[in-house]
Amino acid sequence: DTAVSQTPKYLVTQMGNDKSIKCEQNLGHDTMYWYKQDSKKFLKIMFSYNNKELIINETVPNRFSPKSPDKAHLNLHINSLELGDSAVYFCASGYSYEQYFGPGTRLTVT
Amino acid sequence: GNSVTQMEGPVTLSEEAFLTINCTYTATGYPSLFWYVQYPGEGLQLLLKATKADDKGSNKGFEATYRKETTSFHLEKGSVQVSDSAVYFCALSLLGTASKLTFGTGTRLQVTL
Repeated sequence: DTAVSQTPKYLVTQMGNDKSIKCEQNLGHDTMYWYKQDSKKFLKIMFSYNNKELIINETVPNRFSPKSPDKAHLNLHINSLELGDSAVYFCASGYSYEQYFGPGTRLTVT
Repeated sequence: GNSVTQMEGPVTLSEEAFLTINCTYTATGYPSLFWYVQYPGEGLQLLLKATKADDKGSNKGFEATYRKETTSFHLEKGSVQVSDSAVYFCALSLLGTASKLTFGTGTRLQVTL
């Protein structure tokens, strides 16, 4: 019954590695998002896809590449991980002005 | 640009106390306004929303009124419970921006017995 799910929940990796986070929603929404929450709890939009098309890309380093194989999935791939990438990453989906968030993926880069 | 300013926390209250968390915004158009809540270790949940001036959003005893004249959307609850302890985020969204949410910095609420 989970509306927006993310995997993995925790991800610990070393600098320089490449990793992916997966997101799936079963709400039938056309639009999905990735947000980053830093250590001070500040939340910022990274990307948004509408029906598999990228519509928001908020000055995120090109090491981050979202991919949407279909409108129910939005994955985030990160190349050459850096210490500053450590954060909690939230996927969300929505319509109109309501967004539903996943449980988050806590990424720790060592 | 668009921005949301919230009062800094943490806010510590005794159970049954009255809660106010201030939120003001700056926007280039007419935004919709939201309060989201994040319980420890969880994702964000929409608490309430208001889409036009003078609208009042309410849920679970929380209320907030969209005040265009003061560009504010303060969150209030008459009697808080320990279970309300969480981080509260004020946010706005504008038409034509794919419903991108712009968040405030969050306010941590701690309610004690």
